Amino acid sequence: EAGVAQSPRYKIIEKRQSVAFWCNPISGHATLYWYQQILGQGPKLLIQFQNNGVVDDSQLPKDRFSAERLKGVDSTLKIQPAKLEDSAVYLCASSLSRGLGTEAFFGQGTRLTVV
Amino acid sequence: GQQVMQIPQYQHVQEGEDFTTYCNSSTTLSNIQWYKQRPGGHPVFLIQLVKSGEVKKQKRLTFQFGEAKKNSSLHITATQTTDVGTYFCAGTTTDSWGKFQFGAGTQVVVTP
Repeated sequence: EAGVAQSPRYKIIEKRQSVAFWCNPISGHATLYWYQQILGQGPKLLIQFQNNGVVDDSQLPKDRFSAERLKGVDSTLKIQPAKLEDSAVYLCASSLSRGLGTEAFFGQGTRLTVV
Repeated sequence: GQQVMQIPQYQHVQEGEDFTTYCNSSTTLSNIQWYKQRPGGHPVFLIQLVKSGEVKKQKRLTFQFGEAKKNSSLHITATQTTDVGTYFCAGTTTDSWGKFQFGAGTQVVVTP
């Protein structure tokens, strides 16, 4: 079974530039998550999709971050403009559903450095 | 809002020793998951606990969910170098169904 695919693996940008990350979840997984993991911290949920609808985006800085999941499969996360504090690993995860007993499968992540 | 705290933040263990890491929630959880993240890697699911007082074992790892469903623990016996990594707990509540709040993790270092 193929895992969660993310690209790019690494990205270095200057502050105020924009950047986009792509995620392809495991086939058949209805739920997709984007997490931000700052060095030394646990993953912080940015946004959660159920199929192509947003379930939770309460911790997404909406003035600069946006995400979409067209057709309920692939997803993109965009930052515009980036700030220094956005330097982190951005993890995409997917699960079969939101229900009980569904584990999340994580991708390798995109390590973003903002200089 | 819901907060999940893990202690200790760091755990240095001699190979062969046992240790326990703890996870405490400010609110009652509906279920809790544990993940392991190797250095430079991504979180990998270990287990999910649902019932009050539940205990599950995976070889040398023992997971427990508290009676009040506000805390959990992971106990590792006879630690091996392969146990190196950061262990995260992640909890969800009935009013935030499917939204898991991760703790800051316990970073485990094993010395031979």
